[in-house]
Amino acid sequence: GQQLNQSPQSMFIQEGEDVSMNCTSSSIFNTWLWYKQDPGEGPVLLIALYKAGELTSNGRLTAQFGITRKDSFLNISASIPSDVGIYFCAGTGNQFYFGTGTSLTVIP
Amino acid sequence: GAGVSQSPSNKVTEKGKDVELRCDPISGHTALYWYRQSLGQGLEFLIYFQGNSAPDKSGLPSDRFSAERTGGSVSTLTIQRTQQEDSAVYLCASSLWGEGNQPQHFGDGTRLSIL
Repeated sequence: GQQLNQSPQSMFIQEGEDVSMNCTSSSIFNTWLWYKQDPGEGPVLLIALYKAGELTSNGRLTAQFGITRKDSFLNISASIPSDVGIYFCAGTGNQFYFGTGTSLTVIP
Repeated sequence: GAGVSQSPSNKVTEKGKDVELRCDPISGHTALYWYRQSLGQGLEFLIYFQGNSAPDKSGLPSDRFSAERTGGSVSTLTIQRTQQEDSAVYLCASSLWGEGNQPQHFGDGTRLSIL
């Protein structure tokens, strides 16, 4: 099925640095979601966005629903080792579509 | 807790055997999804159940794969005559209802290894 274009594919950063990742689609979505997956576990919902232009924060995480409704970004500020994992975006219209994931490694 | 529960958490079986994977969704969630995730890869949609409607089977990779959802709650994903390429993590998710704006909540998956 359709998948969203998520970038970067992987990131290696120093602890304390800020992180930015994004997702784009050729289709308009009604909802954008961001998930984090730790090894051996299922994806866990981080942030849900329901309106174009919406900017939402969850602790050190901030995500925005692009004004065109075709993109979204996720920022993580002041990264810590437990931020390590795979981050997935998801967009929904009539169906659910997942991004290909961004693997984040935080170097202490 | 009251999250999505999947069993078994790990399954190792020989090529050619049938396997059944179980998913208990969050109570009250009418929509249920199955995904497959190969090592280091994204999520591959398999099948979607919404209430009593006919399931969307468009993601099932072959006729060896089937799924049922009994009583609108528990779901079983069955893989017949397993092949080595079936090795993956099988994730189940549920949402309050199947309309697009309801977030999916995932179980921790079943890690399937075919020898």
